[in-house]
Amino acid sequence: QVHLLQSGPEVKKPGASVKVSCKASGYTFTTYGISWVRQAPGQGFEWMGWISAYNGQTKYAQKVQGRVTMTTDSSTSTAYMELRSLRPDDTAVYYCARDGGTMIRGIIITYGMDGWGQGTTVTVSS
Amino acid sequence: QSLLTQPPSASGTPGQRVSISCSGSASNIGSHHVYWYQQVPETAPKLLIFRNNQRPSGVPDRFSGSKSGTSASLAISGLRSEDEADYYCAAWDDSLSGPVFGGGTKLTVL
Repeated sequence: QVHLLQSGPEVKKPGASVKVSCKASGYTFTTYGISWVRQAPGQGFEWMGWISAYNGQTKYAQKVQGRVTMTTDSSTSTAYMELRSLRPDDTAVYYCARDGGTMIRGIIITYGMDGWGQGTTVTVSS
Repeated sequence: QSLLTQPPSASGTPGQRVSISCSGSASNIGSHHVYWYQQVPETAPKLLIFRNNQRPSGVPDRFSGSKSGTSASLAISGLRSEDEADYYCAAWDDSLSGPVFGGGTKLTVL
């Protein structure tokens, strides 16, 4: 059974950075990728990017490209998402989700985000 | 404004069949698979349908998905009170070069 356990809530000031972790269990970590998705208060979902846990290949959403870095540590089956230069509109619940394991011609080959972490609330406020 | 358009709300009585639509374009639904997620408020989303009409293990066959052209729909038959949740469609979008989600549909079981 897929289980993704995320780190706890964060409160940051504008301009700071945040790093959220996502520890996977219940499956072979390197067989899949991890997508990061955020949900602002009362809003829908916004995909931020994806990383292959097999080879570290990444794909970032245009909106956060340049401010986000996704990494994985296969020795601990943990994925990380760091977002820099935080702004108040980055305030959201951040989710990690198990996703496709490969990317071909820039398209993530997926059977859906079939396991999600519990979410990490990131609040950006002065 | 999401690239995928869903009705903000839907409702039905127990036992009824309800359908939720998701309208997109050639750059997303018209060219790629559609996925549906269920989110009970204050909880993490759950994958309901993948690749247009496939159900993950454990999802009841009361849930079904379909796609035609640049639109898709999620149907829920034999509506139950526990189906009350927000439902989101998603698909890869070529212009954004990433997956996009619909704005969500809040389903109320009357």
